[in-house]
Amino acid sequence: SQQGEEDPQALSIQEGENATMNCSYKTSINNLQWYRQNSGRGLVHLILIRSNEREKHSGRLRVTLDTSKKSSSLLITASRAADTASYFCATDGGDYKLSFGAGTTVTVRA
Amino acid sequence: SQTIHQWPATLVQPVGSPLSLECTVEGTSNPNLYWYRQAAGRGLQLLFYSVGIGQISSEVPQNLSASRPQDRQFILSSKKLLLSDSGFYLCAWSGAGANVLTFGAGSRLTVL
Repeated sequence: SQQGEEDPQALSIQEGENATMNCSYKTSINNLQWYRQNSGRGLVHLILIRSNEREKHSGRLRVTLDTSKKSSSLLITASRAADTASYFCATDGGDYKLSFGAGTTVTVRA
Repeated sequence: SQTIHQWPATLVQPVGSPLSLECTVEGTSNPNLYWYRQAAGRGLQLLFYSVGIGQISSEVPQNLSASRPQDRQFILSSKKLLLSDSGFYLCAWSGAGANVLTFGAGSRLTVL
């Protein structure tokens, strides 16, 4: 079953703008991860944030985690056409399994 | 470096025919291995995972089975495909420590 739920389902932005997407989950987690999927391809791991962390940065990516609200956000700054993809959050409950949400489809217009 | 290979990339099969999708990992030992299915426009559904040779855990009762005959080989099978088996199948592996997945390129199955 899917644990994470991303919001919005789809996002269209102009190149250079920031893109923000959110993820909510239901049960306790060890960590939360974000992945990207280009159309018709496998997923690529972007960033992991542990349950005791509140914010993490990697290049143009910024992830926040609020365990009290069971939610996370992914911010992509200064978006580029190459950022066009679907983005998924995945929760790790510590049992070898990741549970993925339905994803946010991001379109960056040139 | 570690690599993951998944094949075939595309498959069109008639209802009732068998299925075999293969996945191999190179450059690591004793990986955790996973099969996910992705329906069009949807998230990933975990089908099977394996933490060692011959150890298979099934997440969803269905028309599919998985086997791990070797440490770095994971096979997804069906004896008789259903229309509902159509989808995008993804193999993935993770190592020791944090459960970060590395995915294969995927296999798109269409059952007609």
